[in-house]
Amino acid sequence: DGGITQSPKYLFRKEGQNVTLSCEQNLNHDAMYWYRQDPGQGLRLIYYSQIVNDFQKGDIAEGYSVSREKKESFPLTVTSAQKNPTAFYLCASSMPGQGDYEQYFGPGTRLTVT
Amino acid sequence: GQQLNQSPQSMFIQEGEDVSMNCTSSSIFNTWLWYKQDPGEGPVLLIALYKAGELTSNGRLTAQFGITRKDSFLNISASIPSDVGIYFCAGGFNYQLIWGAGTKLIIKP
Repeated sequence: DGGITQSPKYLFRKEGQNVTLSCEQNLNHDAMYWYRQDPGQGLRLIYYSQIVNDFQKGDIAEGYSVSREKKESFPLTVTSAQKNPTAFYLCASSMPGQGDYEQYFGPGTRLTVT
Repeated sequence: GQQLNQSPQSMFIQEGEDVSMNCTSSSIFNTWLWYKQDPGEGPVLLIALYKAGELTSNGRLTAQFGITRKDSFLNISASIPSDVGIYFCAGGFNYQLIWGAGTKLIIKP
């Protein structure tokens, strides 16, 4: 059963702590993405990766870091430098061709930092 | 940067009514995509459009890629309760998607 998994669904952290969000896909997609969603807003791109061992900053990369050591996995670390980390985080992947535009999403992780 | 204007922001409709929403931009896009998001879940792809002027249907949903490549609309016919949610448009350019702010669809009891 192919898809994208994100874990955990809910995550709570204290301010000042780094936290890593997991994203795994078994769709054999080359490209993977991380988005942030705030209430009443569209999705904003944090980082994306088109191939293993390579990734690019999106519009709001400050305070975040990623790695892409395996095709299936694209973890996101929210560092203590991110000033407003509480948000809904979405991971997506896309297949080669079609300009990588058809992105398929995981169920999301809601991060709350207090 | 590129921006999409999605309207309306929200819609209150009766079950059985037809729905129409649209996205406009000052920039040209290669692709227009429409997604639906249920509360607390990831967006689900509904329709993808790749050619200017293209009209594509998916069940009760119909979407069009504007001839100028700067806009797109989505129509839902004969709405049902499970249509509630937030609908997002996204324009594709340079291997990235630019997202609208969403249209929240609410069905009046």
